[in-house]
Amino acid sequence: DAGITQSPRHKVTETGTPVTLRCHQTENHRYMYWYRQDPGHGLRLIHYSYGVKDTDKGEVSDGYSVSRSKTEDFLLTLESATSSQTSVYFCATGTSGTLHYNEQFFGPGTRLTVL
Amino acid sequence: SQKIEQNSEALNIQEGKTATLTCNYTNYSPAYLQWYRQDPGRGPVFLLLIRENEKEKRKERLKVTFDTTLKQSLFHITASQPADSATYLCALVNRGSTLGRLYFGRGTQLTVWP
Repeated sequence: DAGITQSPRHKVTETGTPVTLRCHQTENHRYMYWYRQDPGHGLRLIHYSYGVKDTDKGEVSDGYSVSRSKTEDFLLTLESATSSQTSVYFCATGTSGTLHYNEQFFGPGTRLTVL
Repeated sequence: SQKIEQNSEALNIQEGKTATLTCNYTNYSPAYLQWYRQDPGRGPVFLLLIRENEKEKRKERLKVTFDTTLKQSLFHITASQPADSATYLCALVNRGSTLGRLYFGRGTQLTVWP
């Protein structure tokens, strides 16, 4: 395993509350990604990071923000959770951002329910 | 619009047979394709990668083909076993894309019965 942990693993929250999900890696991988996985949609990229303090938006970034203050940690924040953000969230890391090779290593996921 | 379509959501085959999973893409120019396996309640795990200039790649019982004319990748599992039951995802990186962004299909759920 690539040593990726996510916390919490499960969370139930109410609409309008802020939520922060944490991804921690021990592999010193430069690139980190947050995805959400929903039935009928597959995995969709929310935000990604290509270095400490360097982040960018993915295809479904509205309502989410991220921060990366250390190589090993990548935080995903839902500023004001909505029911449409009920999903399973996966963190992933990658060793290369070039076209040559970019196998991604995934964490175990966080199941978030917004009531 | 851009699409990545994987054949039927579910595929059921008998143990020992070859499973063939399809990944078709529209309005992408992949530099390479990857295949991942995902078990229930877990994150995807990388299996194989094939580049745009490669026709075929093998790893043990797994084989991937890539046809840029048909805009299609096929993923084969030979001599399938019940332990191969899982959801298989295809993903691609678009040529010219930076930072290794992957675009995923929805997956095909494979069940291998004894």
